[in-house]
Amino acid sequence: DAGVTQSPTHLIKTRGQQVTLRCSPKSGHDTVSWYQQALGQGPQFIFQYYEEEERQRGNFPDRFSGHQFPNYSSELNVNALLLGDSALYLCASSLGGSLHFGNGTRLTVT
Amino acid sequence: KQEVTQIPAALSVPEGENLVLNCSFTDSAIYNLQWFRQDPGKGLTSLLLIQSSQREQTSGRLNASLDKSSGRSTLYIAASQPGDSATYLCAVKLNQAGTALIFGKGTTLSVSS
Repeated sequence: DAGVTQSPTHLIKTRGQQVTLRCSPKSGHDTVSWYQQALGQGPQFIFQYYEEEERQRGNFPDRFSGHQFPNYSSELNVNALLLGDSALYLCASSLGGSLHFGNGTRLTVT
Repeated sequence: KQEVTQIPAALSVPEGENLVLNCSFTDSAIYNLQWFRQDPGKGLTSLLLIQSSQREQTSGRLNASLDKSSGRSTLYIAASQPGDSATYLCAVKLNQAGTALIFGKGTTLSVSS
């Protein structure tokens, strides 16, 4: 039974570019959440998707957007990348209970 | 605004020691509190979850306590092992709805053999 899988594992982008990160939830989970973890910091909640809609959002600008597909997988899109967007992006899935995290995508913006 | 603080930021102990990690939060109105483990460059693994109505939870060598009124939680690790070396994060959930957690910055533990 595969857990939460994220792709790619690492990514390098240039300021101003756009990026898409992908997440496949644990089997049977219908809710996906995204977190940003800067180096040396705790994760910060970006948003949550359930039934293909954004249900809850943290304090992140509109440059951060997402999508959930009918198979419950999800994408995180970040536009107009800034140096400060460099971080580990974590996806977590759940089924009304505790969160199961993937290993994350390390995004470096140069 | 809810803030979560973890002390100490880093801790080094010899194998076999018992140790306590501390977590404090500014607003006692929480739904639950959770302790996670994070290995370098990896995702988070849930260790213990304490509901707001509970005082403690235990799993193997781990015991977590919650004092909601004082805004504190502790994670007790008994008989530490080198494999316990990791960053330990605590997080609070403010209400039942949604999946937003507020995390502390973590305590990085190193256990030497």
